Amino acid sequence: DVKVTQSSRYLVKRTGEKVFLECVQDMDHENMFWYRQDPGLGLRLIYFSYDVKMKEKGDIPEGYSVSREKKERFSLILESASTNQTSMYLCASSFSLLRTGVAKNIQYFGAGTRLSVL
Amino acid sequence: DAKTTQPPSMDCAEGRAANLPCNHSTISGNEYVYWYRQIHSQGPQYIIHGLKNNETNEMASLIITEDRKSSTLILPHATLRDTAVYYCIVRVAPFYGKLTFGQGTILTVHP
Repeated sequence: DVKVTQSSRYLVKRTGEKVFLECVQDMDHENMFWYRQDPGLGLRLIYFSYDVKMKEKGDIPEGYSVSREKKERFSLILESASTNQTSMYLCASSFSLLRTGVAKNIQYFGAGTRLSVL
Repeated sequence: DAKTTQPPSMDCAEGRAANLPCNHSTISGNEYVYWYRQIHSQGPQYIIHGLKNNETNEMASLIITEDRKSSTLILPHATLRDTAVYYCIVRVAPFYGKLTFGQGTILTVHP
């Protein structure tokens, strides 16, 4: 089974703190994604990475950065946490197209980290 | 991406089949139908996908109409653990970048 593991299920931080959210996948996936999910707003892409040390901005990258030093690990960093970053954060991963072909490009998700910024 | 329409909620008795419909009347020829679900406070879980043929895996079956304008996800023997929000997504495969969920169907399985 595909395993995408997020380091924390629940996290409480103070405004201004630097926050690290870690995600590890064990399926040798090339692609990794960070989303946030908020009621009424659905799933929104923050950043994604298609290779080690590569990153691409998603729809809402402001206030976030990412790091991918190893293939299996993708970190989301909140440089200075703010209350409007209180949310559910979801990590996902998938194979690259070169490995799966057109039809099998499935994203697999971790359990999520519910972050509260006070 | 083609727009999808799902009923906001459905109920199902435990042990019975749950049939979740999805309308995607503007689907184009190269778009796949994907189903995910999200159990409360957990990450989304991939269920199944298909292009035009019916598909079955260990979790569910996907029935796509011949004109591809609608589909049905079937959970053959629903359990209480199948209570979740079910999302039908129509996308060109492969996914480039983000996955976008609509409102989905809240399925409640009751004893």
